[in-house]
Amino acid sequence: SQQGEEDPQALSIQEGENATMNCSYKTSINNLQWYRQNSGRGLVHLILIRSNEREKHSGRLRVTLDTSKKSSSLLITASRAADTASYFCATGGANYGGSQGNLIFGKGTKLSVKP
Amino acid sequence: DGGITQSPKYLFRKEGQNVTLSCEQNLNHDAMYWYRQDPGQGLRLIYYSQIVNDFQKGDIAEGYSVSREKKESFPLTVTSAQKNPTAFYLCASSISGGRNTEAFFGQGTRLTVV
Repeated sequence: SQQGEEDPQALSIQEGENATMNCSYKTSINNLQWYRQNSGRGLVHLILIRSNEREKHSGRLRVTLDTSKKSSSLLITASRAADTASYFCATGGANYGGSQGNLIFGKGTKLSVKP
Repeated sequence: DGGITQSPKYLFRKEGQNVTLSCEQNLNHDAMYWYRQDPGQGLRLIYYSQIVNDFQKGDIAEGYSVSREKKESFPLTVTSAQKNPTAFYLCASSISGGRNTEAFFGQGTRLTVV
């Protein structure tokens, strides 16, 4: 069952602009992670934010988490053509069924950065 | 170099055949996972293993089987019982089965039924 839902499904911007992607989830979480996937490749971990954190930075990435709204956002500043990829949020549930320890992925946002 | 390796990259299966996808990691991770990804979709969990000689079904285990005889290996067999096997299969590993750990992914195997 899908936990996270990214929004928008697709995003097209020019190089140098900022890209913002959102993720909403349904149940209590322990942490939320963002991953990147280049076309036809595996996923690469970008950043993890715990449920007691509100904001986290890593290079040009900024992630926020609002547990009251059950949502997170990923901001990529000064985007580059090389940022073109799909971005997924994944939640580590606080009480997720019997599949303990597993990440639940959303459907992703497809980002296209035009040079 | 440490990492997680999937093979083959592309696999073609005839109707009614079983095929096995390989996943090997040299990261000394305890936990390993298999996900299925369909076009434009997220990842769905097929099977996971938190320790050698133990594995559990995920959300879509029907038509699949796994084994975990060695820590570094977690092969996935797609059986003839899987009616719609064409998909992109991703293997991942993490230090432990804990929710607070990041997952490391292989480069995937694209399976096509011909």
